Amino acid sequence: KAGVTQTPRYLIKTRGQQVTLSCSPISGHRSVSWYQQTPGQGLQFLFEYFSETQRNKGNFPGRFSGRQFSNSRSEMNVSTLELGDSALYLCASSLVWTGGVYGYTFGSGTRLTVV
Amino acid sequence: GNSVTQMEGPVTLSEEAFLTINCTYTATGYPSLFWYVQYPGEGLQLLLKATKADDKGSNKGFEATYRKETTSFHLEKGSVQVSDSAVYFCALPLSQGGSQGNLIFGKGTKLSVKP
Repeated sequence: KAGVTQTPRYLIKTRGQQVTLSCSPISGHRSVSWYQQTPGQGLQFLFEYFSETQRNKGNFPGRFSGRQFSNSRSEMNVSTLELGDSALYLCASSLVWTGGVYGYTFGSGTRLTVV
Repeated sequence: GNSVTQMEGPVTLSEEAFLTINCTYTATGYPSLFWYVQYPGEGLQLLLKATKADDKGSNKGFEATYRKETTSFHLEKGSVQVSDSAVYFCALPLSQGGSQGNLIFGKGTKLSVKP
């Protein structure tokens, strides 16, 4: 079966612009989480969604937002981009919110570069 | 919330050498513990996990034992291969009762295995 699909794979944006990243979970998965990965801060939790409801949000400014659709696909948006937002953004999905026996499966990520 | 401290690398080993990557944690209760691996240009893959004290997680020759007395979850492999070259992350849920979709990760240990 298809894995977690993140689009686009690479993105270059200018400071001040906004960006939307997409994540299509594994078919049947209803829970989606997002992480930001940078060399300096490592992996940091952004959001967690289950059945279109945000369950948790990490310690990020309000410029970072997300949502989940009825088909479980999720998007995250970053407004007023800053150079420090350059990162690999990872999405992960699971059948159930807690992760269950099989846990979360990660996508390959979207590499965002802000210039 | 919970926290994790992971041995930072890089670690360079010759093929067939023994590998240990140290991981210690601070947590309320007894959370599930995870090791993830990230190959170049890819997302994270769950390598192994342990859900309770004294559990041993194992996969692909890697092992880690959940030690509540020392609050540790060290990753070991008896004989590494070139194909094991990757970045390894120790992780646990960010908060007590938290889901596997809301994890706190160690800084990562980059392993390079030379032929």
